[in-house]
Amino acid sequence: LAKTTQPISMDSYEGQEVNITCSHNNIATNDYITWYQQFPSQGPRFIIQGYKTKVTNEVASLFIPADRKSSTLSLPRVSLSDTAVYYCLVGALSSGTYKYIFGTGTRLKVLA
Amino acid sequence: GAVVSQHPSWVICKSGTSVKIECRSLDFQATTMFWYRQFPKQSLMLMATSNEGSKATYEQGVEKDKFLINHASLTLSTLTVTSAHPEDSSFYICSAPPGGQRGGEAFFGQGTRLTVV
Repeated sequence: LAKTTQPISMDSYEGQEVNITCSHNNIATNDYITWYQQFPSQGPRFIIQGYKTKVTNEVASLFIPADRKSSTLSLPRVSLSDTAVYYCLVGALSSGTYKYIFGTGTRLKVLA
Repeated sequence: GAVVSQHPSWVICKSGTSVKIECRSLDFQATTMFWYRQFPKQSLMLMATSNEGSKATYEQGVEKDKFLINHASLTLSTLTVTSAHPEDSSFYICSAPPGGQRGGEAFFGQGTRLTVV
């Protein structure tokens, strides 16, 4: 099972770009990299997913190098409401079911 | 996107009683559901995999007799915490796995805050 490693916490200021890097050295060939956001007392919310190179959507970008052993979630111009925990997930195929094992996540605090 | 609805969103129960948490897939069928537990300031911990029409599979260290899982239909999975104790107080979250074999967006319920007093 691929394990992910992220910084435990990060602080940023409003309006800044935030980059959160995740390492996943044992990622399997068919695994995708998915990022989730979680606010207190809520279920995780999907942010972005990618397989290689760069993916961008309306809220974030995901950069994945060629070896896919790491990935970087980029949040442009964060606001106070982006304060949350961000999880990098690499799916694990187990007994025919694709499931996610959560790592520690990165607790992002956006300051005014 | 697909919606997973969890009920109740919070519950308080007395020590020794049992509590049932429901997880429904509203606009799709889910043959598999995952149940997670999350303690304050910690990450989600996978407890078990619920399989429609068959027994659930539990992660190592999770007591299957304490956390009863039933997946009787393609849209409903339930988690029953039996003989609850204060240490079972936690945030419980269910999710439906990605639809494809290569991963994808998993759909999470809103979570249930269980407080055992």
